[in-house]
This record gives sequence, C-alpha cells and structure tokens, in this order.
Amino acid sequence: QVQLQESGPGLVKPSQTLSLTCTVSGGSVSSGGDYWTWIRQRPGKGLEWIGSIYHTGSTSSDPSLRSRVSISVDTSENQFSLRLNSVIVADTAVYYCARDRRYYNPLTGEATTYIDSWGQGILVTVSS
Amino acid sequence: SSELTQDPAVSVASGQTVTITCLGDSVRRHYVSWYQQKSRQAPVVIIFGENTRPSGIPDRFSGSSSGDTASLTITGAQAEDEADYYCYLRDTDSKQGVFGGGTQLTVL
Repeated sequence: QVQLQESGPGLVKPSQTLSLTCTVSGGSVSSGGDYWTWIRQRPGKGLEWIGSIYHTGSTSSDPSLRSRVSISVDTSENQFSLRLNSVIVADTAVYYCARDRRYYNPLTGEATTYIDSWGQGILVTVSS
Repeated sequence: SSELTQDPAVSVASGQTVTITCLGDSVRRHYVSWYQQKSRQAPVVIIFGENTRPSGIPDRFSGSSSGDTASLTITGAQAEDEADYYCYLRDTDSKQGVFGGGTQLTVL
C-alpha cells in the first residue's frame, strides 16, 4: 500500500510562495497510470482539486489557480511538489497530496481514475 | 463544464436507506468515485468505477449512474456513516479533476 507524506512550512506570509513536498513510499512516482495530485480544503469548506502531474511530467491544474500553480516531480527522491505563488489569506487550507490511480476493468470496459491514497494533510496558514 | 453539484446536507434515520446525488454534465462521460470524510480526517474512497467497493468498505454502500446524475446509496445507514461525502471525477477532455461540493450526512 502506497503511503504519502506532506512536508513544508505551516505558515506563509501573504504575497510569498507556498512550497510543499510529498514523499511517496511503497510506490514509485515514475510508475505509469498514476496522477500525483494536490488537493486542498479550506477551513469549513469542501475538497478542492489543485492539480496533478503524470509520470511523463505532464501537468494539469485548476483554471482558477493555473497562473499561480507549479507542480513538479523528483524521481530520484520519489517526491512531487507544489508551488503556489502570490498567496493570499484565502489560500489558508489543509493541503493533501494524493495518488489518482487509473483503473481499467477488461471484463466491463470500465476506464476511470480514483484517488486510492492520501497523505494525512498539512495545514498551511497564510498570515502576516 | 466540469462542475459537480451535491446537496449540502442530507439526513436519514438509523437503519433506513439514503441516496446522495452528484449532478454534472461530465457524469455522462466519466465514472464518478465517492469519498467519505470524517472529522476532517483524510478522505477515504468508498466507491469507484461502475460500482466497485475497495476492500473493507461495507456492502451497504453502492453506486450507480444515469444520465448526468451519479448516486451513492447507503442501505441501512449506521451511526458510523455520519460523515461528509464527496463525488469526484477526472475529466479526460479537460484533463482536470473536480470534486462535488460535498454532502453532510446526519444519521438520526
């Protein structure tokens, strides 16, 4: 069973850059079929998909954050990272890293993805 | 559009059946997965694909989909099922993931 662990500063000042790293164990960020994903949850709110990176290095991100988000992968360390520029107070949230796994059932033809593994989450507060 | 809409809150009497829905145009083309989140812990997947439960998820949870609506049904809800439930899909057209707004389930 793959395990993920977020790390990074818990406090970031407004206008600065939020940087988080997710360390993966029990699996490889180089393996095909997995989207390594960042998700956040603001206080009292729902889950919000931020973006993901595929093993090829291809990235995608939510349009509302795209201009500020960068996701990268370090295969030598088996980690992937999130950078969110120009943070504001509204970026205060619990940030989760996760594996969005591709699933295919040859019997039924089902092809989809689902998030099978999550980190424990890290609270990042944006405040001066 | 990749938006997914859920009712904010639903309640059910213990032992009764409840259905939580997830509405969106992307549901017509993609399977939705469902997640349970308790007390702000990390979410846990309970249904994926057409109607697959991961190991350890009780069989009282089931999923279905019709048109633009995906549904999560709990048959015989238990007190421990009180939680927030989220639907999710990855839209292969836009290459974006999207969550529903979440449904808070209360078991009376």
